[in-house]
Amino acid sequence: EIVLTQSPATLSLSPGERATLSCRASQSISSLLAWYQQKPGQSPRLLIYDASTRATGIPARFSGSGSGTDFTLTISSLEPEDFAVYYCQQRSTWPLLTFGGGTKVEIK
Amino acid sequence: EVQLVESGGGLLQPGGSLRLSCVASGFTLSGYEMYWVRQTPGKGLEWVAFINSGGETTYYTDSVKGRFTISRDSAKSSLYLQMNNLRVEDTAVYYCARDMGLYFISWYLDLWGRGTLVTVSS
Repeated sequence: EIVLTQSPATLSLSPGERATLSCRASQSISSLLAWYQQKPGQSPRLLIYDASTRATGIPARFSGSGSGTDFTLTISSLEPEDFAVYYCQQRSTWPLLTFGGGTKVEIK
Repeated sequence: EVQLVESGGGLLQPGGSLRLSCVASGFTLSGYEMYWVRQTPGKGLEWVAFINSGGETTYYTDSVKGRFTISRDSAKSSLYLQMNNLRVEDTAVYYCARDMGLYFISWYLDLWGRGTLVTVSS
């Protein structure tokens, strides 16, 4: 099973700042990675798939990069609605899909 | 509105059974592969089961094989998860989710329901 390790666990930033979130895979997964956002009391929302492609309706301030084992989600300038928990998910070993443990982006 | 709405969760004892339902609206369920994913504070998000658009192919995570059954009824725009021999560790919020691909499998989940809580406790 591929393990996805997200860091940091918590990121404390102010609105307008840049957020950089990391997801590391225990073995190479090419670019077969997605990012999701989850706000309290809500279900996850797909942000990025195939490591760098924004899903429909996702603002351009969200970008993804990386391949192999190291991936990054960048939020260029945090808006108030961006404070949430972010998860990565790999599809390299379908049908066994695995998720990272999450990074919480909180207001500093 | 495009949405998924789960129901059927509840509190039950170990060894019990439960059937979760998920009703789709605003889109044609039959064109999409579907998933059940669960979430716990301790283990985070965990993929549970998959069913292809025609209902002929199913996959399960190892911990639920032989106990859970995923199924679908396109006429009712519904997805189901029959859960038998429930264990304490099955306690979670269960989400149904849609594959992003229309008539192909992307293995990414672009539409999620609000979830239904299943609590297994003696």
